[in-house]
Amino acid sequence: SQQGEEDPQALSIQEGENATMNCSYKTSINNLQWYRQNSGRGLVHLILIRSNEREKHSGRLRVTLDTSKKSSSLLITASRAADTASYFCATDASGNQFYFGTGTSLTVIP
Amino acid sequence: DGGITQSPKYLFRKEGQNVTLSCEQNLNHDAMYWYRQDPGQGLRLIYYSQIVNDFQKGDIAEGYSVSREKKESFPLTVTSAQKNPTAFYLCASSWGGFSYEQYFGPGTRLTVT
Repeated sequence: SQQGEEDPQALSIQEGENATMNCSYKTSINNLQWYRQNSGRGLVHLILIRSNEREKHSGRLRVTLDTSKKSSSLLITASRAADTASYFCATDASGNQFYFGTGTSLTVIP
Repeated sequence: DGGITQSPKYLFRKEGQNVTLSCEQNLNHDAMYWYRQDPGQGLRLIYYSQIVNDFQKGDIAEGYSVSREKKESFPLTVTSAQKNPTAFYLCASSWGGFSYEQYFGPGTRLTVT
């Protein structure tokens, strides 16, 4: 079974609002990554957070990691129509185990 | 331009035929990966290679084969043994293993009828 599960599966917001999506996983990890995928395209790396980090920022993105709860969240602030995409978390666990989650489909309405 | 390319973008095959998907990178990355994505789902790892002439099976390797004769190239063959080959196939590369960010190609959409 896949390591990461995202929540919600789909999210629709107005432009300018913040979007939050969550990722839960099952086993201990070395790091967690977030990727974006526009429809029918390849994935684009957004941010990587290591297991000893709790929060990381990149532009309008804020990622948190709670290893005790085995969960991570991705916050996109001041969303834009161009942020419309699917967002995936991916976990790097020991033993060369690497899993993508099922994704959150984000729609930002202009 | 540095990047990772996949060809072709769309591929159609008859059931029972083997088909090879191309993946090339000029990023000088050591590691390369193949994933499969089905509609509305996440990516599943088929094979990965961390160094030339070496590769490992991922979660769903059955019915697939790969080779890594050159650092730049990691072709994937979908064999007739793969029961449900119709999917979107994505290739990626990275500097090292799974602890590094991966750079993805644009994908190949394979349809087998």
